[in-house]
Amino acid sequence: QGQLVESGGGLVRPGGSLRLSCAVSGFTLNNYYISWVRQAPGKGLEWLSYISVDGGTIRYADSVKGRFTISRDDAEKSVYLEMNSLSADDTAVYYCARAVGMVSWGQGTLVTVSS
Amino acid sequence: DIVMTQTPLSLSVTPGQPASISCKSTQTLLYSDGKTYLYWYLQKPGQPPQPLIYEVSNRFSGVPDRFSGSGSGTDFTLTISRVEAEDVGVYYCMQNIQLYTFGQGTRLEIK
Repeated sequence: QGQLVESGGGLVRPGGSLRLSCAVSGFTLNNYYISWVRQAPGKGLEWLSYISVDGGTIRYADSVKGRFTISRDDAEKSVYLEMNSLSADDTAVYYCARAVGMVSWGQGTLVTVSS
Repeated sequence: DIVMTQTPLSLSVTPGQPASISCKSTQTLLYSDGKTYLYWYLQKPGQPPQPLIYEVSNRFSGVPDRFSGSGSGTDFTLTISRVEAEDVGVYYCMQNIQLYTFGQGTRLEIK
């Protein structure tokens, strides 16, 4: 099944930036789409972005378009989410998920945006 | 944008009894390839979501057969034939015919 492990979360001030990482093991990263999904405290799931197998297709939710950037490094077995211009509304647990059908998920990393 | 609407938002079920969750989309999820891109996930307390059903009615590997999915077009249902204590959590439907959208979630608790 493989494993995905998110990291890079933490406390950041409004207007700040953060880079999340999703490290994978147990499967070949370059065979899969990877998505980022977040969950605000006590709320539901919100898809943010995906990157295709070769990185040639990238899509974003309107809520993060222009502020977040997804990328992948298959050699490093990692996918990244660069987040800029953060606000309190971006406070959430951020998950990465494997494949078009999101067949497996990491445990998530918490991002808190607060002054 | 496609909006996914789940009902009910919460339900309380006696162990051994059935449970059903409805999910409606604002556009058809039937794609030109003949597949319908509707998924179901369960998020147990303190855990990430886990996949249950893909393309309306196909169980992911390891999912108990008490879980079943049905529906077509814009109307879908997740049914648990006999609820067990381990089924508590929040259930989400999701579409990916047009990017991705999740339903609001349905919280299932045990009576």
